Amino acid sequence: DVKVTQSSRYLVKRTGEKVFLECVQDMDHENMFWYRQDPGLGLRLIYFSYDVKMKEKGDIPEGYSVSREKKERFSLILESASTNQTSMYLCASSSRRTEAFFGQGTRLTVV
Amino acid sequence: DQQVKQNSPSLSVQEGRISILNCDYTNSMFDYFLWYKKYPAEGPTFLISISSIKDKNEDGRFTVFLNKSAKHLSLHIVPSQPGDSAVYFCAAKGFYGGSQGNLIFGKGTKLSVKP
Repeated sequence: DVKVTQSSRYLVKRTGEKVFLECVQDMDHENMFWYRQDPGLGLRLIYFSYDVKMKEKGDIPEGYSVSREKKERFSLILESASTNQTSMYLCASSSRRTEAFFGQGTRLTVV
Repeated sequence: DQQVKQNSPSLSVQEGRISILNCDYTNSMFDYFLWYKKYPAEGPTFLISISSIKDKNEDGRFTVFLNKSAKHLSLHIVPSQPGDSAVYFCAAKGFYGGSQGNLIFGKGTKLSVKP
């Protein structure tokens, strides 16, 4: 069974804090993705990576950065958290020819 | 500009009847389409997919139809069950340019199946 594990299910952070969301996959997938899900807006791609140390901006990269130092791990960083970054964050991984597998999600609240 | 559109935010169906969820896309370079199901507070789970070389794919109660000329796909669930109540996302993927096959999602349709 493919497993994509996100480090936290729920997080509460203060405005201005630096926030790290971690994601690990165990299927040796080349591609990893970070999405956020908001009501009425669906899943929007923040960043993706198709190889170690490679990253590409998605549709809404502003206010975020990512790190992929190892193939199995993809981190999303909120440099200075703001209330409009309160959301459900979803990590996914895929090989080039398969569907994406998602983690369980992290519900982040910025207060 | 939305490349994948799900124009119905919600759908309500009686248990045992057919549920039909629709999805339209604009980019003719997409060559692989997927449906995901999502319960609240969980990550999406893959349901069924279809390659652009096919027009139908079936898996148990779930069938996906693809009409390439209309750039339209639909998911049929029959018979619908209360446990099918969830948000359904349509997604598309194409191996072109620098995208490396990342998924483009629609906004989702919330399906409610009433007993």
